[in-house]
Amino acid sequence: GAGVSQTPSNKVTEKGKYVELRCDPISGHTALYWYRQSLGQGPEFLIYFQGTGAADDSGLPNDRFFAVRPEGSVSTLKIQRTERGDSAVYLCASSALAQDEQFFGPGTRLTVL
Amino acid sequence: AQKVTQAQTEISVVEKEDVTLDCVYETRDTTYYLFWYKQPPSGELVFLIRRNSFDEQNEISGRYSWNFQKSTSSFNFTITASQVVDSAVYFCALSDNAGGTSYGKLTFGQGTILTVHP
Repeated sequence: GAGVSQTPSNKVTEKGKYVELRCDPISGHTALYWYRQSLGQGPEFLIYFQGTGAADDSGLPNDRFFAVRPEGSVSTLKIQRTERGDSAVYLCASSALAQDEQFFGPGTRLTVL
Repeated sequence: AQKVTQAQTEISVVEKEDVTLDCVYETRDTTYYLFWYKQPPSGELVFLIRRNSFDEQNEISGRYSWNFQKSTSSFNFTITASQVVDSAVYFCALSDNAGGTSYGKLTFGQGTILTVHP
């Protein structure tokens, strides 16, 4: 009965480095989402997967951000050449169907120095 | 474009008071879904409720109730007899089929910080 899990819980990196954030959705959930939450703000949509394919990546801020879900389960969010403005909590969620309630993981707090 | 507005940034009440959190949304779709999430100090978003646009019946779950009014594009949340454990940030969110992406994207409001004092 595990929920959505995310690793690492915290990541500190230096400007310009590459980072990968992992999300393990609830078993059987075909839809997976990534959001970013800055301090004092609501979560901001990044990308949504239906199965292995990205159904909507309109929220990715630029081409430094990329996400994959090769086997339709675990997903990895990849950020190249990190910038200080990328510092935020990155949230992953999953749902059985796209219009269903989304269940969120605990997030990964990314700090770019 | 979709938009969710939570005009109340912070609300402070004393335990046992009733409190209503306001949510106003904008969408061009006729079919959409509305959600409320709670984010306690621990940080993890907790799902509270999901309503579709065709069901305007108010809903009650224990001390929680929701008032959905399409005429005013509002989906307000009331906590009756608030408790200290209700202290959290509450987010209202909307999903629709804008751009044909089949409801996957949640658009969140800015959140309302609720503090319940003993």
